[in-house]
Amino acid sequence: AQSVTQLGSHVSVSEGALVLLRCNYSSSVPPYLFWYVQYPNQGLQLLLKYTTGATLVKGINGFEAEFKKSETSFHLTKPSAHMSDAAEYFCAVSTYGGSQGNLIFGKGTKLSVKP
Amino acid sequence: DVKVTQSSRYLVKRTGEKVFLECVQDMDHENMFWYRQDPGLGLRLIYFSYDVKMKEKGDIPEGYSVSREKKERFSLILESASTNQTSMYLCASRQYGYTFGSGTRLTVV
Repeated sequence: AQSVTQLGSHVSVSEGALVLLRCNYSSSVPPYLFWYVQYPNQGLQLLLKYTTGATLVKGINGFEAEFKKSETSFHLTKPSAHMSDAAEYFCAVSTYGGSQGNLIFGKGTKLSVKP
Repeated sequence: DVKVTQSSRYLVKRTGEKVFLECVQDMDHENMFWYRQDPGLGLRLIYFSYDVKMKEKGDIPEGYSVSREKKERFSLILESASTNQTSMYLCASRQYGYTFGSGTRLTVV
C-alpha cells in the first residue's frame, strides 16, 4: 500500500525567505510523485511531478522538488517566497504516471507568507 | 483549455435530503473521480469511474453513491444527507494527468 506524510500542517515564512515543504512517501513499487497547490476557494493545480529520469524536477512559479529514493522523500522548495505563494500544498503518490493508478494524497500543508 | 465544471460552488441542504453533486468534463476523459476534502485530512477518494456505467469504491464510499450515464458527466449522490457529510467535494478527470474542478462546498444543516 502507498501512503504520503507531509510534515507540518502549517508553515510560515517571511517574504523572500526559503520555502521548504516536506513530503515523505511509502510505496512498494517505484512511485510517481506530485505536488499540487490549492488557492482559497479553488481546485487543485499541478505544480510539478516526478515520473522517471532526472530526480530534480522544476515546476511552475519557481518551485522545484527533488526525489530522494534513499530517504523516500520528495520535498518542495522555492528559494524566495512571494506573498502570492500563500496557499495549501498537497503531496501525492501514484504507482503510475498518468493513465493508470489513483492518487494518494497527503494531508496538506498550509503555507503563510509574512510581509 | 481543458475544463472540469462542478455545477455548484456552495450548497446548503437539510439533514435527510437527497443531494446531487454534478461534475462535467469537456476533455473526453475516461477516468473521473470524486474526492472529499476536510481540514487536516487532505483529499480522500470517495468513488471513481473508468468508463460509462462503471464505478469503483474509493476509500470512503459509505453514505455515497455515483452515476455515470454519459462519459462527460459524473454525479455524486448523497442518498440521505447527514451533518457529517458537510465538506468540500472535488471532482477530477484524468487522461495523462489530473484536472480538478473548483469544488462544491456542501453544508448539511
